[in-house]
Amino acid sequence: DTGVSQNPRHKITKRGQNVTFRCDPISEHNRLYWYRQTLGQGPEFLTYFQNEAQLEKSRLLSDRFSAERPKGSFSTLEIQRTEQGDSAMYLCASSLSGRNTIYFGEGSWLTVV
Amino acid sequence: QQQVKQSPQSLIVQKGGISIINCAYENTAFDYFPWYQQFPGKGPALLIAIRPDVSEKKEGRFTISFNKSAKQFSLHIMDSQPGDSATYFCAATFGNQFYFGTGTSLTVIP
Repeated sequence: DTGVSQNPRHKITKRGQNVTFRCDPISEHNRLYWYRQTLGQGPEFLTYFQNEAQLEKSRLLSDRFSAERPKGSFSTLEIQRTEQGDSAMYLCASSLSGRNTIYFGEGSWLTVV
Repeated sequence: QQQVKQSPQSLIVQKGGISIINCAYENTAFDYFPWYQQFPGKGPALLIAIRPDVSEKKEGRFTISFNKSAKQFSLHIMDSQPGDSATYFCAATFGNQFYFGTGTSLTVIP
């Protein structure tokens, strides 16, 4: 069990640039979640996939954000035209259908300068 | 609107003492209440969880107390150790929705 893997772990980008994060969930998990966490706050839900279908998106997920899970395995989260307010840790988590427990990756830190 | 309210924001405990973190919720649809532990630079890791039909769950030094009528639950860390120093998040879930508290930064001093 390799756990949830995220990369890159850290990304510094200039405002206005696009960034993409990748998440590889635990292999048998069919559910995948993206969360955002800022300092001093708990994780905030962004979006959720069951297999390749994106079933839910938070209002936090502006039109500059897009997430995909093309084959129901890994997922990508792209942020276009980054803004300083996008600076945060982006967490990916996965779980099995019917199970309450979600398992987080170590997160991808984004700093927009 | 914060679905889960967590307190205190920070906590300092002597080694060997008891650490207590409290959470409250409003939505009675929540059916699972996990606690996560997060070390700096790492993602949250599941620590212990409870369902609302149980009033207490214990795993080693960690205990969840659950009061369904008051819509409150708490994490107790017995014999706190410096290695327990981390941020703790409570959460409440139903279906695919997970709502996290704002976290408690615990420092255990030797």
